[in-house]
Amino acid sequence: TQLLEQSPQFLSIQEGENLTVYCNSSSVFSSLQWYRQEPGEGPVLLVTVVTGGEVKKLKRLTFQFGDARKDSSLHITAAQPGDTGLYLCAGGRSNYQLIWGAGTKLIIKP
Amino acid sequence: DAGVIQSPRHEVTEMGQEVTLRCKPISGHNSLFWYRQTMMRGLELLIYFNNNVPIDDSGMPEDRFSAKMPNASFSTLKIQPSEPRDSAVYFCASRPGLAGAEQFFGPGTRLTVL
Repeated sequence: TQLLEQSPQFLSIQEGENLTVYCNSSSVFSSLQWYRQEPGEGPVLLVTVVTGGEVKKLKRLTFQFGDARKDSSLHITAAQPGDTGLYLCAGGRSNYQLIWGAGTKLIIKP
Repeated sequence: DAGVIQSPRHEVTEMGQEVTLRCKPISGHNSLFWYRQTMMRGLELLIYFNNNVPIDDSGMPEDRFSAKMPNASFSTLKIQPSEPRDSAVYFCASRPGLAGAEQFFGPGTRLTVL
């Protein structure tokens, strides 16, 4: 059972376009983390959101945690080829447990 | 800081052989995680150690898998005997002892069982 649904699974767009990746669940999480993974490497944390409705910005990336802490979105403005990678969301359920989404494979074409 | 170190980076073995994956966590981190990543199932937690003690091994697929953490700077994941369906990328991650803190991942070991 996939407790954290990510969509889309795959996205290929041109440089300069905007995009949004979604992470949805019927469960409430204490926190929501977004990681980016490049080929041949492990995931690297981008951001952690903990408060319902929280919005965090990281340059061209905007992360939002849903009011009910069940969902999250990642919006990228003016995507660059360097944004290419696998984006993973992970919901915090306890002091150690993370529920992982299946990931969104993003390709930005020059 | 060297980050989380895993070895080997690649392992190719034949079905039935024993495989041992190694991990050195970041110094000072007291939580260690072993994950398996495949295209079909994504990232799956296999086992979680806190202060060298296994806390949650519910993700370990079956008795063929075992993990140890003899001290704070070293952990192993062993598969005996290995099977083709064990082929995956295995990640080790460590984390400071804070709830919700970032997990730092190693580069992974790509295991292929023929």
